[in-house]
Amino acid sequence: KAGVTQTPRYLIKTRGQQVTLSCSPISGHRSVSWYQQTPGQGLQFLFEYFSETQRNKGNFPGRFSGRQFSNSRSEMNVSTLELGDSALYLCASSLDVTVTGELFFGEGSRLTVL
Amino acid sequence: AQKITQTQPGMFVQEKEAVTLDCTYDTSDQSYGLFWYKQPSSGEMIFLIYQGSYDEQNATEGRYSLNFQKARKSANLVISASQLGDSAMYFCAMRDNFNKFYFGSGTKLNVKP
Repeated sequence: KAGVTQTPRYLIKTRGQQVTLSCSPISGHRSVSWYQQTPGQGLQFLFEYFSETQRNKGNFPGRFSGRQFSNSRSEMNVSTLELGDSALYLCASSLDVTVTGELFFGEGSRLTVL
Repeated sequence: AQKITQTQPGMFVQEKEAVTLDCTYDTSDQSYGLFWYKQPSSGEMIFLIYQGSYDEQNATEGRYSLNFQKARKSANLVISASQLGDSAMYFCAMRDNFNKFYFGSGTKLNVKP
């Protein structure tokens, strides 16, 4: 069974540009969530999608957005990139939407903003 | 507000010895899930073990066990017989009633040969 797949794995952008990251969840998983990981702030929740609807949202500015498609694949977009957006962006999918359901993570997309 | 606290930024353990990684949490929810994840240098987060708030027995998964003390709101991870491959970052996490996950700041474990 294929795991969570994130693309691209590495990317370099300059300030002011925008970026789109993609995530394919494990087959059958309808919940997809995104996290930003930085050395200083740790893992911070961005948003969660379930059946194409944003169900939860973290405390990030509107430059961060996402969506989920009917096949459960998800994308997140960051517009007007800032240096502080340099981070590892992790996508996770979940089968169970109760408190018992663990997250299955992808390997992440490492974004560097110059 | 939900909060996960890991007070050990870094730890060393000798190979083949046991080690305990601390985790405390703060929530007013009655139903919640507690999780531990391992993050090697490659970046992927690997699920290790789960404990439900209503589970009376401590969870175990191979060399991993979770020391759950509900009244003290602690969920410590115990790794028995440490191996060199256990060197990684370890994150404690909680899932609340609204399906939101909260992660601690992590503990970097180094296993010495």
